[in-house]
Amino acid sequence: NAGVMQNPRHLVRRRGQEARLRCSPMKGHSHVYWYRQLPEEGLKFMVYLQKENIIDESGMPKERFSAEFPKEGPSILRIQQVVRGDSAAYFCASSPSISNEAFFGQGTRLTVV
Amino acid sequence: GDSVTQMEGPVTLSEEAFLTINCTYTATGYPSLFWYVQYPGEGLQLLLKATKADDKGSNKGFEATYRKETTSFHLEKGSVQVSDSAVYFCALSQNEKLTFGTGTRLTIIP
Repeated sequence: NAGVMQNPRHLVRRRGQEARLRCSPMKGHSHVYWYRQLPEEGLKFMVYLQKENIIDESGMPKERFSAEFPKEGPSILRIQQVVRGDSAAYFCASSPSISNEAFFGQGTRLTVV
Repeated sequence: GDSVTQMEGPVTLSEEAFLTINCTYTATGYPSLFWYVQYPGEGLQLLLKATKADDKGSNKGFEATYRKETTSFHLEKGSVQVSDSAVYFCALSQNEKLTFGTGTRLTIIP
């Protein structure tokens, strides 16, 4: 059973471009979470999704950020018109439907130049 | 809202020293508590957990006890090794959401 897979591991974007981060949860996991880690800081919750539904997006900036978890395929975190302040590590985690233990991917490190 | 406060770092210890990293929490209900570890360039790995008051989580020589009366979940290890050098995060889980502390960077010197 492969772990949570995130790609790409590193992503460089120029200001104003779009960033698309992908997360494939562990097999059998229907809950996906996205977190952002700024340099030398802890992880900040962004969004919690189940298949085809956003359950809690209270940590997501209101503009430029969106997330989806379609019926088929990976979860996508999309950042439009990136700015330097978006540079961070973005971690995805997944959990089974009835457990509160989350398994993390290795993260995508986004650098905006 | 829920919050986790953990010991500021960085922490530097000699090999075989005793380790304590303090963690306290604020939550409205009865959360589960976790310690995660992050090695350089990696994602977070679950180190140990406790789901109710007085539970003790343990793994790889690390221990933490869920203390409801002091709302604490301090991480301890009796004899640290160089390979324990990492960033340690305390977290609580409630309503399907994990809330993390800011992390404590631990460096063990030979």
